[in-house]
Amino acid sequence: AQSVTQLDSHVSVSEGTPVLLRCNYSSSYSPSLFWYVQHPNKGLQLLLKYTSAATLVKGINGFEAEFKKSETSFHLTKPSAHMSDAAEYFCVVSAFRGANNLFFGTGTRLTVIP
Amino acid sequence: DTEVTQTPKHLVMGMTNKKSLKCEQHMGHRAMYWYKQKAKKPPELMFVYSYEKLSINESVPSRFSPECPNSSLLNLHLHALQPEDSALYLCASSQDVPSGSYEQYFGPGTRLTVT
Repeated sequence: AQSVTQLDSHVSVSEGTPVLLRCNYSSSYSPSLFWYVQHPNKGLQLLLKYTSAATLVKGINGFEAEFKKSETSFHLTKPSAHMSDAAEYFCVVSAFRGANNLFFGTGTRLTVIP
Repeated sequence: DTEVTQTPKHLVMGMTNKKSLKCEQHMGHRAMYWYKQKAKKPPELMFVYSYEKLSINESVPSRFSPECPNSSLLNLHLHALQPEDSALYLCASSQDVPSGSYEQYFGPGTRLTVT
């Protein structure tokens, strides 16, 4: 079975400081993992994905995530927060076989303080 | 072009109305999806189409009726909805279904209000 736990429902950072959004997953198979961002009243945009290649994945807008199998984690980081990063972030695990169902975490709301 | 388009952006309908939501992609994707998203919640999968055939229906009430006229289009027909059906309806597409490594591309959504 697949599941995702986002450890923080809300994270607040100052502009220019690092961002860390935490995600732990559970999967019966080798997982595919994704981070999506959703700005208010918008659709979801893919930030990055992990599909069993390099464990450090670089995404758009300066975000990156590291797959750690031993810790079953896939935390999202960014060295320096920008005001435009304020949004909802979803960590997602995908079933490796069968239907392409995405299992969503409950989301982390990132607030960036000027 | 990695865009999924959805129309309309906003829809207000009464409980006796019939309306349709439309979704279109021109990425050559063979899998398309409908999700429902309530405020401050993650999206919930409703339907999956694979090669224009319905492959997953997540026990959605029959007042929601999906249709896939061709590989680029996906409709969601709405009839006799309830106020609790008010939500953001998201369409997504992916290259294929069998492997979970294919990322899904989402449209901007239709904000539905049922009065």
